[in-house]
Amino acid sequence: AQSVTQPDIHITVSEGASLELRCNYSYGATPYLFWYVQSPGQGLQLLLKYFSGDTLVQGIKGFEAEFKRSQSSFNLRKPSVHWSDAAEYFCAVVLTGGGNKLTFGTGTQLKVEL
Amino acid sequence: DGGITQSPKYLFRKEGQNVTLSCEQNLNHDAMYWYRQDPGQGLRLIYYSQIVNDFQKGDIAEGYSVSREKKESFPLTVTSAQKNPTAFYLCASSIPPHRDRDTSGANVLTFGAGSRLTVL
Repeated sequence: AQSVTQPDIHITVSEGASLELRCNYSYGATPYLFWYVQSPGQGLQLLLKYFSGDTLVQGIKGFEAEFKRSQSSFNLRKPSVHWSDAAEYFCAVVLTGGGNKLTFGTGTQLKVEL
Repeated sequence: DGGITQSPKYLFRKEGQNVTLSCEQNLNHDAMYWYRQDPGQGLRLIYYSQIVNDFQKGDIAEGYSVSREKKESFPLTVTSAQKNPTAFYLCASSIPPHRDRDTSGANVLTFGAGSRLTVL
């Protein structure tokens, strides 16, 4: 069965520092990959997605993610974190040709220290 | 502006009672979904519907029921058979793969703001 792993439950960074959130998936084939962000008590907002092509994808709010097939990873990065980036981040995958059912990781809670 | 409206935002239920969570969208999306969110467990799919008058069970459908009588609406009923209903419930919608202009065929989900259910 497909699965998504976000190994870091909590991450704390200082404002202005760089950020990398990890995401690994288990699949035989390349899935479609997503990163969503959730503010407390709110729904999820799409940050970026990877379907095919360039393995480095740009998203909203200055985020980017790189798909690495050899490592089955899709890590999210931001060069300089802002206090407003504090939120929970979810990686998600959908199996190609398997309909549109997303499987979500368990999330990484980001805290930003001023 | 188009979007998804979930109501109520907060709901309290006594044990043994059924409750219904509302989800309405004006995005003209055919597909709609219900997810349950618990701390440390991510989002788990309860039910989804690709088209009016049709829906399928997700990974954790037991104790829940849905209907899809209108394209805009996908209400979720949490029945008394759901043993641990306290959670945050999220509704989402999307364009189904066969109508997605992106050649990947995958979908981007638009989420509502959620409904928090607490059983007393």
